[in-house]
Amino acid sequence: ETGVTQSPTHLIKTRGQQVTLRCSSQSGHNTVSWYQQALGQGPQFIFQYYREEENGRGNFPPRFSGLQFPNYSSELNVNALELDDSALYLCASSAGRTGGLYNSPLHFGNGTRLTVT
Amino acid sequence: AQKITQTQPGMFVQEKEAVTLDCTYDTSDQSYGLFWYKQPSSGEMIFLIYQGSYDEQNATEGRYSLNFQKARKSANLVISASQLGDSAMYFCAMRGWGNDMRFGAGTRLTVKP
Repeated sequence: ETGVTQSPTHLIKTRGQQVTLRCSSQSGHNTVSWYQQALGQGPQFIFQYYREEENGRGNFPPRFSGLQFPNYSSELNVNALELDDSALYLCASSAGRTGGLYNSPLHFGNGTRLTVT
Repeated sequence: AQKITQTQPGMFVQEKEAVTLDCTYDTSDQSYGLFWYKQPSSGEMIFLIYQGSYDEQNATEGRYSLNFQKARKSANLVISASQLGDSAMYFCAMRGWGNDMRFGAGTRLTVKP
């Protein structure tokens, strides 16, 4: 069973640039979630995708956008990067249908550490 | 809206002793799940244990147990026989009918030899 994989592991960008982070879900999982974790804080929910559609979003501006592909892999795109976007970005997948996921744990990748200078 | 509160920024425990990490939550959902994750310094989030809102028995997984008190809306993690490798950040999380999982601020556990 292949786990959740994220790429790249580290990334340095300049303020105002755009970035794309990638995630491959665990085999058999059809739901993917993205989180932002600033240093010393808990993960903050960005959004969730189920069968290629966004079905939940946290308090993040529209410059944070995402995609889920037919093979359930996913991308997180961030436009107009700001210094405060520097964080660990975590992707997680789970199995289940929308509305019935409350008992499904998330399985996380190792994250992408983004530094904005 | 869901809210998870972890009031202990840091905890210390002697090796081989037990430790309890506190978690309280707030939700209007009838069906929800409570989760604990461990995050070592390397950064990966490791799933430890799950408790469903309708489960009458407290969940246990090896040295981990979850002390679930529904009326008090608390879901404390108990780690028995602490090991040096247990030193890490621990996060309490909840997933409701809205599907998204929300996390607390975490507790940093340090196990002393």
